[in-house]
Amino acid sequence: GIQVEQSPPDLILQEGANSTLRCNFSDSVNNLQWFHQNPWGQLINLFYIPSGTKQNGRLSATTVATERYSLLYISSSQTTDSGVYFCAVEDNQGGKLIFGQGTELSVKP
Amino acid sequence: NAGVTQTPKFQVLKTGQSMTLQCAQDMNHNSMYWYRQDPGMGLRLIYYSASEGTTDKGEVPNGYNVSRLNKREFSLRLESAAPSQTSVYFCASSEMPNLPGRAQETQYFGPGTRLLVL
Repeated sequence: GIQVEQSPPDLILQEGANSTLRCNFSDSVNNLQWFHQNPWGQLINLFYIPSGTKQNGRLSATTVATERYSLLYISSSQTTDSGVYFCAVEDNQGGKLIFGQGTELSVKP
Repeated sequence: NAGVTQTPKFQVLKTGQSMTLQCAQDMNHNSMYWYRQDPGMGLRLIYYSASEGTTDKGEVPNGYNVSRLNKREFSLRLESAAPSQTSVYFCASSEMPNLPGRAQETQYFGPGTRLLVL
């Protein structure tokens, strides 16, 4: 099956710093989503981005489907950005999201 | 709209006990899913339901059963709980049916159920 790898596995930032999280996938995909899981365990959809670039406030994401990777950019990080960021892809068989292992982000004040 | 709701939020079971995790969505979505999340492993799909009346196995279905009671509700049952089933369980829903080659829209997740099996 399709493999999803995220890097780095963990990241510590000072408040105000920028960061880039990466998601590599091993096959072509129909769907790619980024999620944020906050320290209370809640999963929040950030982007649905099978290709191209999207921006939402301080966050933006770019997926280059032909090269099988996606990047999540966090600018001017805040302590509320802390948590785990998951990339998930849906393969060409349809229906099932395969999650990466996540990047754990800690933003220090 | 409440979105996706799950009950209970927390549960402690003894080995061999049974329980049902409930999930409901009020977004009129066709597809619903159950995942489990374990440390260092991301989320793994247990079962999913493409549409009312259908269910299919995901990546880790052993030890679980599901029921798509109606369009709104999708329950997950543990018939004989084992310590290996200690996990956080998430229910999710999405609008589009999961047909091969057809891209889905965003999946929306519930708040999760923390289950401890002793």
